[in-house]
Order: sequence, then C-alpha cells, then structure tokens
Amino acid sequence: AQSVTQLGSHVSVSEGALVLLRCNYSSSVPPYLFWYVQYPNQGLQLLLKYTTGATLVKGINGFEAEFKKSETSFHLTKPSAHMSDAAEYFCAVRASGNTPLVFGKGTRLSVIA
Amino acid sequence: SQTIHQWPATLVQPVGSPLSLECTVEGTSNPNLYWYRQAAGRGLQLLFYSVGIGQISSEVPQNLSASRPQDRQFILSSKKLLLSDSGFYLCAWRRGTTGELFFGEGSRLTVL
Repeated sequence: AQSVTQLGSHVSVSEGALVLLRCNYSSSVPPYLFWYVQYPNQGLQLLLKYTTGATLVKGINGFEAEFKKSETSFHLTKPSAHMSDAAEYFCAVRASGNTPLVFGKGTRLSVIA
Repeated sequence: SQTIHQWPATLVQPVGSPLSLECTVEGTSNPNLYWYRQAAGRGLQLLFYSVGIGQISSEVPQNLSASRPQDRQFILSSKKLLLSDSGFYLCAWRRGTTGELFFGEGSRLTVL
C-alpha cells in the first residue's frame, strides 16, 4: 500500500528565505510522486511531478523537488519565498487500482514580509 | 487542451435540502473522474470515482451519491443534506498512465 507523510502542518518563512516542505512516502511499486498547490477557495494545481529519469524535478513558480529513493523522500524547495507562495501544499504518490493518488494531509505555507 | 469546470462555486443550503453539484470535462474522452471533499482542517477525502458512463464506485459510505449520465459529466447529489456535509468539493480527472489528477475550481458547500 502507498502512503504519504508531510512533516509539519504549518511552515512559516520570511520573504526571500528558503522554502523547504518535507514529504516522505511509502510505496510497494516504483513511485510516481507529485506536488500540488492550493490557493484559498481554489482547486489543486499541479506544481511538479516525478515519474522516471532525472531525480531533480523542476516545476512552476520556481519550485523544485528531489526524489531520494534511499530516504523515501520527495521534499519541495524554492530558493527565495515570495508573498504569492502562501498557500497549502500537498504531496501525493501514485496508488494502485482505480484510486489515483494518495495525498498527504497538506502543509500550509505562510510567508512573512 | 483539457479543461474541467465545476458549478456552482458557492452554495448555502439548509439541513434536509437536496444537493446537486456538477462537473464537466472538455478536451478528453472517457476520462476517469473523481469527487473529493475537503472538510475544514482536514485533508482530501476521496468520495466517488467513475471509469465510465453509469459506473460509480463509492469510497466512503455517506449521505451523498454520484452519477455519470454522460462521458464527460459527473454529478454529486444528496437527497437530504446534513450539517456534516459542509465542505469544499473538488472534481478531478485523471491523466493516463502517470496518474496525475487535474482539478476543477471547487464548490464550497455550507449547510446551515
């Protein structure tokens, strides 16, 4: 079975500081991993995904994530936070059968001016 | 390109009233479709999924039902709403083998 753990339900950073959102996964099959962002009262938007190949994946809005199989991690980073990055972020892993993805509980990112 | 739309965006309903939320996908055929709910302070809960017209699978027993009358239309319904049905409802479709989901804008339901 697949599962996702996001460490920290709320992360607060200063504008211009490094953003690091942590995600660890468990998967019985080769993992496909995803990060989504959700702004208030909006749907989820795909930020980036890892399927195969290069383990460092670049996404939209300057975010990137690195797949580390040995650590079963897929942490999301951005070198310099912007006020517009304030949102909820969800990590997800491909599931089996007809369940498409297993989501983590989300991390709310606050950016302080 | 593919698009997905939900409506209404916001709904305030009294307890015991019916519900109908609609989701439509454009630009793809025979998509797998999903309804999720986000309750306040909680993550995403998968409610229903559909792999084709008339085919509905329920993940969680509840006061809600889903239907798929057309290939690209997915409807979430209730005959009598409960307070606990309040939340943010999201429709999504699934892309091919990699499995990522693409979400609609969401529908916020408040039951009073």
